[in-house]
Amino acid sequence: GDSVTQMEGPVTLSEEAFLTINCTYTATGYPSLFWYVQYPGEGLQLLLKATKADDKGSNKGFEATYRKETTSFHLEKGSVQVSDSAVYFCALRGGQGAQKLVFGQGTRLTINP
Amino acid sequence: GAVVSQHPSWVICKSGTSVKIECRSLDFQATTMFWYRQFPKQSLMLMATSNEGSKATYEQGVEKDKFLINHASLTLSTLTVTSAHPEDSSFYICSAPTRQGENIQYFGAGTRLSVL
Repeated sequence: GDSVTQMEGPVTLSEEAFLTINCTYTATGYPSLFWYVQYPGEGLQLLLKATKADDKGSNKGFEATYRKETTSFHLEKGSVQVSDSAVYFCALRGGQGAQKLVFGQGTRLTINP
Repeated sequence: GAVVSQHPSWVICKSGTSVKIECRSLDFQATTMFWYRQFPKQSLMLMATSNEGSKATYEQGVEKDKFLINHASLTLSTLTVTSAHPEDSSFYICSAPTRQGENIQYFGAGTRLSVL
């Protein structure tokens, strides 16, 4: 079945550092790919998405490119802030109208000032 | 943006009791809602798909008699953990897409269940 593998955390960086959180997936067909973020005490929020190969999702300075050849959707940000501290989830939704999301295990990110 | 409200956010109960968790879509109608379970430091695992006006669809390995789901209106789905035991302690999260087939789901803040 479909699956998502995420970089294990926790990840601790200093403010203004470069961030990469790796995500690879296994899926049949052509899934849509997502990054969700969960801030302390809040529900998951969609951060960005990509629906087809070579699409780049971007939001709040974060970017991820849908790489079909490497089955990856790595999350990057050039300069992180303390407010980016949260848990990040990579997820996929299968093709053909599927609604179910399959999540990676989540990566806890802590940014120190 | 769309909001999904989940209640309660935290519940502690005695072993053998039942606990009901509510999931509401506040500014949109949701014919479908999803219930997830999250263990510490692990991923969200889909438990079931809640369908308004019909029976829920459970994922393999999820006991439907243990986790009762009711989706009686277009804005409310409930998950009842029946005869809870300590191994049911977990973080339960609901979500809903704003329109049938929409590619974005909105999540509740989750409910932490602790069974003593």
